[in-house]
Amino acid sequence: QSALTQPPSASGSPGQSITISCTGTSSDVGGYNYVSWYQQHPGKAPKLIIYEVSKRPSGVPDRFSGSKSANTASLTVSGLQAEDEADYYCSSYAGNNKLFGGGTKLTVL
Amino acid sequence: QVQLQESGPGLVKPSETLSLTCAVSGDSISSYYWWSWVRQPPGKGLEWIGEIYHSGSTKYTPSLQSRVTISVDKSKNQVFLNLNSVTAADTAVYYCVRDGYHYGGFDIWGQGTMVTVSS
Repeated sequence: QSALTQPPSASGSPGQSITISCTGTSSDVGGYNYVSWYQQHPGKAPKLIIYEVSKRPSGVPDRFSGSKSANTASLTVSGLQAEDEADYYCSSYAGNNKLFGGGTKLTVL
Repeated sequence: QVQLQESGPGLVKPSETLSLTCAVSGDSISSYYWWSWVRQPPGKGLEWIGEIYHSGSTKYTPSLQSRVTISVDKSKNQVFLNLNSVTAADTAVYYCVRDGYHYGGFDIWGQGTMVTVSS
């Protein structure tokens, strides 16, 4: 199974909203409601920001939201802030496997 | 507060075995969760290696299944990773991770340990 497909980069100005896509297949993203999203700042471990497509762990701002349609999941960051500049990775359950996307570098202009 | 701490050699020779330990504190290995290893080559994305439940049940990503073994020592509250026949392509930061939501919600991450494969 291949990695999930994400755009390599995204950008937006402070206060704006951006959406990052994550495309898989019916064997992973489309087949289960088990998509998660991670934020990673340089030199740090990833941090879970969305699980089970749209749920936020405690402490994650509601500016972060997730959704899914067919084989594509999406992460939306509303009201962009400077500290949102980071790499973002999606992940999906795929039966007896777990897949990550290639990552998207979010730049806050 | 749950904490995961990876440890092991930072340098491994090609064809040898990479062995890492994850010490878990603040939670029991025998709790409900699955415990995973995830790696990240320098400048690249994340790759799930595999996971283990305290019962000893394991799952591995197909591309590494023939070379990887994950095990636990419940008495020491530790998770282990062994990856044999390593090559330069196995050079990466290796993370020990808790799957808090079972189907891929990796909620607790160790700080990661860098392993370089080189002679």
